[in-house]
Amino acid sequence: DAKTTQPNSMESNEEEPVHLPCNHSTISGTDYIHWYRQLPSQGPEYVIHGLTSNVNNRMASLAIAEDRKSSTLILHRATLRDAAVYYCILRVPSRGTYKYIFGTGTRLKVLA
Amino acid sequence: DSGVTQTPKHLITATGQRVTLRCSPRSGDLSVYWYQQSLDQGLQFLIQYYNGEERAKGNILERFSAQQFPDLHSELNLSSLELGDSALYFCASSVGEYTEAFFGQGTRLTVV
Repeated sequence: DAKTTQPNSMESNEEEPVHLPCNHSTISGTDYIHWYRQLPSQGPEYVIHGLTSNVNNRMASLAIAEDRKSSTLILHRATLRDAAVYYCILRVPSRGTYKYIFGTGTRLKVLA
Repeated sequence: DSGVTQTPKHLITATGQRVTLRCSPRSGDLSVYWYQQSLDQGLQFLIQYYNGEERAKGNILERFSAQQFPDLHSELNLSSLELGDSALYFCASSVGEYTEAFFGQGTRLTVV
């Protein structure tokens, strides 16, 4: 079964880049990689998603390894507001539809 | 404010009872997703609907069911409630099946 593995927690200094890793060694060719984050006491928030190529948006960049067995979410300049739990998620085909496999999340602490 | 409305915000009920959680998606969004987040745990994907049809399914219990109505709002029905069903239940919506999803603030269910 598809699975994602993330470190439990990471720390970063404010204004510095943050690289959040995710392993998904069992990924198959059609599985999309999503990232969401959840700020304290709030609902989750979409960050970015991709399939094979690296992706950039206003919030972050997603770097996907060539073999697709891992990916890295990159926050270019961490701010205090980026302190959250970051979830790496696979969208996998399942019995004619899809399902979403969530990792346990990485709690990011940003130091002022 | 994400534009996704969930009601009620809080719900306290007894074991064995049945409850219905309601979600109004953002205007124009065709997809609705349901997630469960137990205390101190990560997000668990339950189910996704797109324009009234089920499109993805997670580890949703048989005691739980959902539907999306013609006006695109969705309801999550939880029956034969157990103490372990106490959790935050999030609804999210997106324009397409595979686009950025926006989350509501959640319904906190407490089973006593």
